[in-house]
Amino acid sequence: KQEVTQIPAALSVPEGENLVLNCSFTDSAIYNLQWFRQDPGKGLTSLLLIQSSQREQTSGRLNASLDKSSGRSTLYIAASQPGDSATYLCAGLNTGFQKLVFGTGTRLLVSP
Amino acid sequence: DGGITQSPKYLFRKEGQNVTLSCEQNLNHDAMYWYRQDPGQGLRLIYYSQIVNDFQKGDIAEGYSVSREKKESFPLTVTSAQKNPTAFYLCASSTIQVKAEAFFGQGTRLTVV
Repeated sequence: KQEVTQIPAALSVPEGENLVLNCSFTDSAIYNLQWFRQDPGKGLTSLLLIQSSQREQTSGRLNASLDKSSGRSTLYIAASQPGDSATYLCAGLNTGFQKLVFGTGTRLLVSP
Repeated sequence: DGGITQSPKYLFRKEGQNVTLSCEQNLNHDAMYWYRQDPGQGLRLIYYSQIVNDFQKGDIAEGYSVSREKKESFPLTVTSAQKNPTAFYLCASSTIQVKAEAFFGQGTRLTVV
């Protein structure tokens, strides 16, 4: 059974810092891994998706990596801004395409 | 605009009442999902469907029911058998295979009164 863990649960940084969010998963037989952002009371916004054959994906100031052998993914945010404050969730899709298994998220606060 | 529309945004349910949450997508996705989100917990899968007229139970299906009569629509009914229905409900859709990127609606917050 796939389990996804995110560390840390919460993170507070000053504006401008580079930061790394961690995601680990127990079953390496994943089809893809997806990072989402969630603002309070809102739905999830897809940030980056890494397919199992890929090592990393980049979008603007965001870079996500995937290491299936170690069961880890990281989301790197460069030059953080107050607008980056949100909860970040990672989720793995199993090869049967049956469901995304989510971590509990990292709540990020970027202070001006 | 392409996307997933959930309605209503807020819903109040009385004890013993069934309520239905709507989810519609115009992305031409085959797969659709319902998740429940509680404070301090990750998203938990209620039901999913990969094709019209077929759906499967997720991890917490008890007290819920769904239908998939059209590709675009996947409504969720919260029945009176669900003893703790107060939560934030999220609908998602994705393609099957290829990238299989999931997209989410804006959610429905259900409260028991």
